[in-house]
Amino acid sequence: SQTIHQWPATLVQPVGSPLSLECTVEGTSNPNLYWYRQAAGRGLQLLFYSVGIGQISSEVPQNLSASRPQDRQFILSSKKLLLSDSGFYLCAWTRGTMVGSYEQYFGPGTRLTVT
Amino acid sequence: QKEVEQNSGPLSVPEGAIASLNCTYSDRGSQSFFWYRQYSGKSPELIMFIYSNGDKEDGRFTAQLNKASQYVSLLIRDSQPSDSATYLCAVMPRTDSWGKLQFGAGTQVVVTP
Repeated sequence: SQTIHQWPATLVQPVGSPLSLECTVEGTSNPNLYWYRQAAGRGLQLLFYSVGIGQISSEVPQNLSASRPQDRQFILSSKKLLLSDSGFYLCAWTRGTMVGSYEQYFGPGTRLTVT
Repeated sequence: QKEVEQNSGPLSVPEGAIASLNCTYSDRGSQSFFWYRQYSGKSPELIMFIYSNGDKEDGRFTAQLNKASQYVSLLIRDSQPSDSATYLCAVMPRTDSWGKLQFGAGTQVVVTP
């Protein structure tokens, strides 16, 4: 069965500090991967998605970036955090639309507070 | 107009009753539809998906899709206190959208004993 991991689970960072959040998927190959942010009391905002190693598409211009160094690893980064970056960051995967599978599954999330 | 709309609630449902959640979407070409359950402080959990017009049943959950009316609903039968959560409707606009989903803001459901 497939499993998705995210770490850290909780993070408190000062404004202007760097950020690195990691997501890994087990039990599948060549998944589509997604980063979402959910601000307090708000809906899910898609930040980045990736259909393969090194292939990243950005949905929202901001001070965040994403990388996919390995097939099942997805990293969200920032060089300098802003207060508005606080939120619940969720990684998700799907087996890939090429195989006609569109169901998307979420990891446990990282709760980020920027102080 | 929001792309995916849901009533924010809270929807108060007596234990044992049927909870009915509605979702409308704006892109007539949308192909795939999903319902997620999100407990407070937790990540969303996929509970139903539906790709064709009509009803799809899974245990106490039934998803209903009407593409002509651009409407998808979720019924929860025999509601339990453990069903108290926020339910997110998600829509995939087209098959070539790389699986990107558009989410509604969610409907909060409160099941009262």
